[in-house]
Amino acid sequence: GAGVSQSPSNKVTEKGKDVELRCDPISGHTALYWYRQSLGQGLEFLIYFQGNSAPDKSGLPSDRFSAERTGGSVSTLTIQRTQQEDSAVYLCASSSDRDEKLFFGSGTQLSVL
Amino acid sequence: KNEVEQSPQNLTAQEGEFITINCSYSVGISALHWLQQHPGGGIVSLFMLSSGKKKHGRLIATINIQEKHSSLHITASHPRDSAVYICAAITGNQFYFGTGTSLTVIP
Repeated sequence: GAGVSQSPSNKVTEKGKDVELRCDPISGHTALYWYRQSLGQGLEFLIYFQGNSAPDKSGLPSDRFSAERTGGSVSTLTIQRTQQEDSAVYLCASSSDRDEKLFFGSGTQLSVL
Repeated sequence: KNEVEQSPQNLTAQEGEFITINCSYSVGISALHWLQQHPGGGIVSLFMLSSGKKKHGRLIATINIQEKHSSLHITASHPRDSAVYICAAITGNQFYFGTGTSLTVIP
């Protein structure tokens, strides 16, 4: 595609529910990144994929968070048993390879009530 | 202590002024990114640096690996440059973000 696409753009959920966020990177980009930005806060790195592999998952805030990438393309970020502190904008970026220019999606605004 | 420190946190400039934003980091890095976040929230990557200097239009980014310091310069600043500028250091498989510099350019 022309750019990084994220869906949904907005998600409102109840505390305790599971949510799944999707990222479609630019075609051919091998590196894919997930970040989040809480209201009024800075960017927080969550996880990086090179191909389908995530070498380091230590950036995920808790074991309620998981991410996968299949076919070297689409990635999903799953948050189980959502909590109010999970409310944030979840951003995805891709690049042609690690340490190359990043291209960001427009994010998913997650609100946990 | 944050791995990445940015200064200043806030900056107001008159249109046409030369602007410098600084980023210091404490970790060994493979690359450093400068990002621009517009008031609407969208993020654009300005530069990716691993050494030396890069220029794009009115924007210049430099990095000194030995001193663990990078600068972003904006020449002939314009109100449309108003945004939050963020540096991000990449080490291993981790990103470390600065807290951002909020720039306002007044006409």
